[in-house]
Amino acid sequence: AQKVTQAQTEISVVEKEDVTLDCVYETRDTTYYLFWYKQPPSGELVFLIRRNSFDEQNEISGRYSWNFQKSTSSFNFTITASQVVDSAVYFCALRALYGGSQGNLIFGKGTKLSVKP
Amino acid sequence: EAQVTQNPRYLITVTGKKLTVTCSQNMNHEYMSWYRQDPGLGLRQIYYSMNVEVTDKGDVPEGYKVSRKEKRNFPLILESPSPNQTSLYFCASRPAGNEQFFGPGTRLTVL
Repeated sequence: AQKVTQAQTEISVVEKEDVTLDCVYETRDTTYYLFWYKQPPSGELVFLIRRNSFDEQNEISGRYSWNFQKSTSSFNFTITASQVVDSAVYFCALRALYGGSQGNLIFGKGTKLSVKP
Repeated sequence: EAQVTQNPRYLITVTGKKLTVTCSQNMNHEYMSWYRQDPGLGLRQIYYSMNVEVTDKGDVPEGYKVSRKEKRNFPLILESPSPNQTSLYFCASRPAGNEQFFGPGTRLTVL
């Protein structure tokens, strides 16, 4: 069975602090995708990143960075120098690359990040 | 503009009154899905479709129906809505091998 765990339900930081959102996953598939999505207070879901299981390179995009470690089944997301606009709910998600379960995107329960000025 | 549209965006209805939430995408994507989002539970997949006339159950399909007669449309049907189907619903589409594009959401209240 597939499962995504985001153990942090809510995090509150002060602007300019760095913050890491944890994501741990379980899957029997050998090939899979991992995703992060952002849901700001306005409610839409915004795609942030996709990683496939072949590629364990960390990625940086501006103030955002992602650390994928297959050995610990983790795909953590770090925001450097957080800003108020980063306040949102962040979801980690998992999907198989092949097979019958490739249509099924499994989400974690989300981490609500509040960045205070 | 490439997008996924859902209608209606907000709906208040009563128990047992059949309703349909429409979803349409203009990107020629093969895959389409429906999710519901509930506080503390995150997003859970209701149904998905890998192409026209091909649909399959997600994690929480009870009480819902879908159809995929055309590639661009994937309506969600609640034959007899109940209060526990009060939720925020998202439709999504994607091409093979890529990330999902989500619609703006439909907030449904069943009284």
